[in-house]
Amino acid sequence: GDSVTQMEGPVTLSEEAFLTINCTYTATGYPSLFWYVQYPGEGLQLLLKATKADDKGSNKGFEATYRKETTSFHLEKGSVQVSDSAVYFCALSDQGTGRRALTFGSGTRLQVQP
Amino acid sequence: ETGVTQTPRHLVMGMTNKKSLKCEQHLGHNAMYWYKQSAKKPLELMFVYNFKEQTENNSVPSRFSPECPNSSHLFLHLHTLQPEDSALYLCASSQGERGEETQYFGPGTRLLVL
Repeated sequence: GDSVTQMEGPVTLSEEAFLTINCTYTATGYPSLFWYVQYPGEGLQLLLKATKADDKGSNKGFEATYRKETTSFHLEKGSVQVSDSAVYFCALSDQGTGRRALTFGSGTRLQVQP
Repeated sequence: ETGVTQTPRHLVMGMTNKKSLKCEQHLGHNAMYWYKQSAKKPLELMFVYNFKEQTENNSVPSRFSPECPNSSHLFLHLHTLQPEDSALYLCASSQGERGEETQYFGPGTRLLVL
C-alpha cells in the first residue's frame, strides 16, 4: 500500500537558518504530493503541492520538488522565522488507486528559536 | 480560515455517553472526510463521503457512526467510546473527481474519553 516517511522531529533551528525536512513515499499509482502545516491549536493548512514529476511547489518561501526517481518531496526554506514553528506533514494522494483520501506521514515538529 | 468549521472544539465524555461531532463546510465542495489524529501516530483516515454517499470506511469500529445529510454537513456520532479513542478529530472537504485536489481542514474537535 501507499506510505509516506518523514524525518523524525523535533527539528530545532535558530532564526534565519536553512530548513530541510525530508519526505519519501511509496505509491502504487501516480501520486500527487502535498505539504500541510499545523500551527498550535489549529487544523491542517495546505502549504504547497505538486501533481507530477519535476513540478516544484512553493508558498511563503517554502519549496518542494517532486522527484520521481528518488520518490522524494523534501521541504526547504532558505531562512526560517519564529512564526514558522509548527508541525509539518507530508502527504500523498494516489490517483491511480482511485482513492480520494490522503496518506500522511507522521509529521515533523519544527521549533525556531529567536 | 472559516471555510470548514467544527463544533464543539473540545469535548470530554464518559465511556457510556453518546455525543456527536459536527462539521460544516462553506466552500461548495462535494467530498467530506473524517480523520483521527492521535499523539505520535500519523493522521488516520476514518470515512470519506462523496456527494453524501459514503465511499470509504477505513475499518472504523462501529462505536463511531458517521452521517452526511447533505454535501455541506458531516456528523460523527459517538457511542460507548474507549479511553484510547481520545484524540483530535479533524474534518476536511475537497472538490473534484481525480484525487489530486486540495483538502481543506477544520480546526478539529479535541476529544477526551474518561
